[in-house]
Amino acid sequence: SSELTQDPAVSVALGQTVRITCQGDSLRRFYASWYQQKPGQAPVVVIYGENNRPSGIPDRFSASNSGNTASLTITGAQAEDEADYHCNSRDSSGYHQVFGGGTKLTVL
Amino acid sequence: QVQLQESGPGLVKPSETLSLTCTVSGGSISSYYWTWIRQPPGKGLEWIGYIYNTGSTSYNPSVKSRVTISIDTSKKQFSLRLSSVTAADTAVYYCVRGSGEYYDTRGYYYGWFDPWGQGTLVTVSS
Repeated sequence: SSELTQDPAVSVALGQTVRITCQGDSLRRFYASWYQQKPGQAPVVVIYGENNRPSGIPDRFSASNSGNTASLTITGAQAEDEADYHCNSRDSSGYHQVFGGGTKLTVL
Repeated sequence: QVQLQESGPGLVKPSETLSLTCTVSGGSISSYYWTWIRQPPGKGLEWIGYIYNTGSTSYNPSVKSRVTISIDTSKKQFSLRLSSVTAADTAVYYCVRGSGEYYDTRGYYYGWFDPWGQGTLVTVSS
């Protein structure tokens, strides 16, 4: 089992706000990065660090962190945001990388 | 911009060695953590390991005894070898550039993976 835990599936109504969470003890010391993956495509980073968006990522994507939980928030979800979202950080040893199991986001 | 492209056999027999190569174009292979990540069909992502351009490596403990990642900076390539494969090693394998290690003002580490190769499906079957 992964050291980072994500809900398997989340749904949101078009235009509403959704939060996707990632839990793990290592998140008390290390930030998560977040990846969007659409069917048949490679993942793309959408957030890294405390709350940094790479160039080209819409500002409706944001991150927050509290205790052992990292959250990815999509404010005003769009149809094109329907995808799998994966969190990543270091493991509890601090020496290796680990991914959460992924969350499938459905936009209704 | 930097692009990564995986190459190698799409079918490997059980107990044999899986070998993949990633070619880096559009940028330098110096610095960064050149990484392999895999995704079994219908499942999540699994970090396999990385190599720095100096040759230092780090591997996932779950595959450490079977994996070797190497780098050829002159060819701008890095490679993955995974021995004694089983059906559980069937996956899409991605080569990825890992960022350097960053720390914010509170000393919290952060990093990220970008860009990713398109991925290559490797099936382990006789």
